[in-house]
Amino acid sequence: DAGVTQSPTHLIKTRGQQVTLRCSPKSGHDTVSWYQQALGQGPQFIFQYYEEEERQRGNFPDRFSGHQFPNYSSELNVNALLLGDSALYLCASSLMTQGYEQYFGPGTRLTVT
Amino acid sequence: KNEVEQSPQNLTAQEGEFITINCSYSVGISALHWLQQHPGGGIVSLFMLSSGKKKHGRLIATINIQEKHSSLHITASHPRDSAVYICAANTGNQFYFGTGTSLTVIP
Repeated sequence: DAGVTQSPTHLIKTRGQQVTLRCSPKSGHDTVSWYQQALGQGPQFIFQYYEEEERQRGNFPDRFSGHQFPNYSSELNVNALLLGDSALYLCASSLMTQGYEQYFGPGTRLTVT
Repeated sequence: KNEVEQSPQNLTAQEGEFITINCSYSVGISALHWLQQHPGGGIVSLFMLSSGKKKHGRLIATINIQEKHSSLHITASHPRDSAVYICAANTGNQFYFGTGTSLTVIP
């Protein structure tokens, strides 16, 4: 049973570019949450997707957007990249009816130059 | 002020020592999570607590809802326990994370 998978593992982009990160949830899970973890900091909640809709959102600008597909996988899109967007982006999946327990993916390391 | 505060920020222990990491939170929670993050980034969920105490192997997690405080204990610490331990408060709507406690266990 595959856990949460994310792609790519590492990514280097230039300021102003756009990036798409992908997440496949653990088998049987229907909810995906995205987090940004800057170096030396704890993760910060970006948003959560359930039934292909954004259900909750943290304090992130509209440059951060997402999508959830019918197979429950999810994408995180960041437009107009800034240097400060460099971080580890973590995806976590859960089952909405048991939403308190989340399983984390390995993360995508994004570097913006 | 952060919604979740952890202490200490850094901890170095000799192999075999008993370790305690503390977490205080200011938000109302549905559950409190303890997570382990190794170098390279991958996060593993250790415990999810809403009351009382849980034990898994050498790890023990406790929570006091009235005092809004949780502790993670590691008995007979081992170098492979070296990692960052993160406390996260789940309000039911979103998670608030502490900045983590970096633990190094020396052989």
